[in-house]
Amino acid sequence: SQQGEEDPQALSIQEGENATMNCSYKTSINNLQWYRQNSGRGLVHLILIRSNEREKHSGRLRVTLDTSKKSSSLLITASRAADTASYFCATDRRNQGAQKLVFGQGTRLTINP
Amino acid sequence: GAVVSQHPSWVICKSGTSVKIECRSLDFQATTMFWYRQFPKQSLMLMATSNEGSKATYEQGVEKDKFLINHASLTLSTLTVTSAHPEDSSFYICSAPRGYTRDNEQFFGPGTRLTVL
Repeated sequence: SQQGEEDPQALSIQEGENATMNCSYKTSINNLQWYRQNSGRGLVHLILIRSNEREKHSGRLRVTLDTSKKSSSLLITASRAADTASYFCATDRRNQGAQKLVFGQGTRLTINP
Repeated sequence: GAVVSQHPSWVICKSGTSVKIECRSLDFQATTMFWYRQFPKQSLMLMATSNEGSKATYEQGVEKDKFLINHASLTLSTLTVTSAHPEDSSFYICSAPRGYTRDNEQFFGPGTRLTVL
């Protein structure tokens, strides 16, 4: 079962604006990751934040993590039309040495030119 | 960067037939691979963990006799959908972690779209 919940489910903004997506989870985690998926394609890893980190940056991406609230946010600044995609958060759960990810429901982001 | 490939990228088959999907890690070895299925506009649902040289570990509710997984080498895992039915139509994606590190960054294949008529 999916433990992550993301909001909004869909987001449509104008090019140049900032896009913020949120993710909540239920159990303790080792880390939280954000992935991007273009329509009908595989997922691309964007950024990882560990449970002892609060904020991380990568280019136009900014991720925050609040373990007390079991939530994370992904901010994309100065959005571009090419950022149109679905974005998923995933939490790292360990199982007998194998590491498996549990994905949130995703946010479908549309950037309008 | 690490690359994971899948073959075929899409397949259409008749109900009752079996379909094999391959997942390969191209520039690294993967003792573990993961298989997911994804319905339109929905999230990824983990089906099973493929372990090189041993049996796969299936998630609750996934029929292991229906979805056969074989991880015969350090670079190849296969998922066979046996006696496929229309409800098996979905997007199947595999992933592999690159080495056993503290961080579990996954590299995903491009996916296989299965349509069962």
